[in-house]
Amino acid sequence: QKEVEQDPGPLSVPEGAIVSLNCTYSNSAFQYFMWYRQYSRKGPELLMYTYSSGNKEDGRFTAQVDKSSKYISLFIRDSQPSDSATYLCAMSAGRGSTLGRLYFGRGTQLTVWP
Amino acid sequence: DAGVIQSPRHEVTEMGQEVTLRCKPISGHDYLFWYRQTMMRGLELLIYFNNNVPIDDSGMPEDRFSAKMPNASFSTLKIQPSEPRDSAVYFCASSPDRRINTEAFFGQGTRLTVV
Repeated sequence: QKEVEQDPGPLSVPEGAIVSLNCTYSNSAFQYFMWYRQYSRKGPELLMYTYSSGNKEDGRFTAQVDKSSKYISLFIRDSQPSDSATYLCAMSAGRGSTLGRLYFGRGTQLTVWP
Repeated sequence: DAGVIQSPRHEVTEMGQEVTLRCKPISGHDYLFWYRQTMMRGLELLIYFNNNVPIDDSGMPEDRFSAKMPNASFSTLKIQPSEPRDSAVYFCASSPDRRINTEAFFGQGTRLTVV
């Protein structure tokens, strides 16, 4: 079992829809939870991150972390065609022998059609 | 800053040949990472360096793979001999110490095809 599990999709939604992307994980030591966005033929870029549990909002994007369930989510409101990309979750423990190591999900491919 | 620079962008080589991928990290970043991305396995960490010293190479698939970082502004990933199953997109990324737990800055990647 991989440490981070993410449904690869693909996910296809109409413009304006609310999108929900999710990851589960098995390592209770993870403290930092990130979402990266990767456009076709490009490298991933950090979208937002959360430390420990709770919610974080940035414009149309909201990240949620539920450590008790080992489950994280990314919500996109009023989705736009420009949001079409692959979204990868990533996590890190942030200390000890794994300092610096990010664990990525496989990514979910999202298409928002006009 | 130009970001992380990788070369070449595309590489097509024959099985058995040596392949060398190159990376210039962002100036001032203390950490450098090499990742491999495939449809089947997603993004996998191969090796990472801190201040030019290899910290964790447990992701390097086998002895055919080697990585070096002779100075703070340059790293190479070498595959010798290459095999068709090495075909993937290889990313180099770097991070400053203060962002090490959250953000890696990725290059554009090198798309490697071994025929």
